[in-house]
Amino acid sequence: GEDVEQSLFLSVREGDSSVINCTYTDSSSTYLYWYKQEPGAGLQLLTYIFSNMDMKQDQRLTVLLNKKDKHLSLRIADTQTGDSAIYFCAESTPGTASKLTFGTGTRLQVTL
Amino acid sequence: DAMVIQNPRYQVTQFGKPVTLSCSQTLNHNVMYWYQQKSSQAPKLLFHYYDKDFNNEADTPDNFQSRRPNTSFCFLDIRSPGLGDAAMYLCATSRDRGQGNQPQHFGDGTRLSIL
Repeated sequence: GEDVEQSLFLSVREGDSSVINCTYTDSSSTYLYWYKQEPGAGLQLLTYIFSNMDMKQDQRLTVLLNKKDKHLSLRIADTQTGDSAIYFCAESTPGTASKLTFGTGTRLQVTL
Repeated sequence: DAMVIQNPRYQVTQFGKPVTLSCSQTLNHNVMYWYQQKSSQAPKLLFHYYDKDFNNEADTPDNFQSRRPNTSFCFLDIRSPGLGDAAMYLCATSRDRGQGNQPQHFGDGTRLSIL
């Protein structure tokens, strides 16, 4: 079955880089996503990567995908207090009607 | 500009009293989804509409139903809310389904409380 796992909590200092990790089990995953959820709000799509890529960069965000190890990471450069939120990784697989399987979420705390 | 709009943001209802949550979209997407998210958990898909075609998840309780009168609007009806139904309800849309490069876009959610 599908399973997506993340560490629950990460604390970083403002200005440092944050790296949030995710592992998944379904080798047929085609797209992998990162969503951000601020308190009391919905999910904001940050970025996504196709499984035939190993890296994608978008401003302060860098996504790395190791398909062999089924490991996905999100690096946030120059982390700001506004980056404090819960980050969910999610995967989709073909033929599942766009069903997303979410990880448990990682709470990022940015300290001064 | 908000593209997936959920109303209200906060909803309080009484135990057993039917409640309807609303979602509208300006993206003209074919697919609309409803998720339930309980505290400190990942969102859980309840069902989705592909155009007018309704698709229920196998473990969605019968107490939850949905309507999609047109492309722009989708409603979540909870017939007899129980205390365990208190949660954040998230609506999402995507242009198509089964296409990973057409990601889901979420609204801000409705937080439902049961008295």
